Amino acid sequence: GAVVSQHPSRVICKSGTSVKIECRSLDFQATTMFWYRQFPKQSLMLMATSNEGSKATYEQGVEKDKFLINHASLTLSTLTVTSAHPEDSSFYICSARAGAKNIQYFGAGTRLSVL
Amino acid sequence: TQLLEQSPQFLSIQEGENLTVYCNSSSVFSSLQWYRQEPGEGPVLLVTVVTGGEVKKLKRLTFQFGDARKDSSLHITAAQPGDTGLYLCAGVNNDMRFGAGTRLTVKP
Repeated sequence: GAVVSQHPSRVICKSGTSVKIECRSLDFQATTMFWYRQFPKQSLMLMATSNEGSKATYEQGVEKDKFLINHASLTLSTLTVTSAHPEDSSFYICSARAGAKNIQYFGAGTRLSVL
Repeated sequence: TQLLEQSPQFLSIQEGENLTVYCNSSSVFSSLQWYRQEPGEGPVLLVTVVTGGEVKKLKRLTFQFGDARKDSSLHITAAQPGDTGLYLCAGVNNDMRFGAGTRLTVKP
């Protein structure tokens, strides 16, 4: 099946630093990628939809200046958490959708811990 | 506010028991998916249901999509400790929205 690689799997950083998370579709071109956030014992909440070559669409309540999304190619989307704070600590998961098929393939997630 | 209401949120049962998880919404979906997620990992797709009234079986798991394509259920027969995990339903239109999840624990 299709593979989505997410990197890093875990990151620990100091408050105030920026962290970049990469999401790559390894064997297919992803016109659309999605970023989710999952707090402990909760479900996945959609943060933003990223379309290749255009600006991301953010969900209500998600700060676009804090969570910068770049989808510069059909196989790579990045999420940068700028000036991270402890409340940003969470499990971030990306997914990629292939072409016209409404099937999303998920990455393994990134555990962000902000000290 | 969750677009999809999933129940129960927590379920702890003994090995061999049966269980049903429900996923309800006021919205119509083009398809609905069920996922299982282990701690620290991304969700893994179990099944996609597309047609209203559709029933799909995956070994001891039975998935049903409501006639109106607004709700779904997951039934597990003779649960095993290996079934322990977080089960998520997700409604699909242009994007995908997840239910709150059902955390299942099957005790040996």
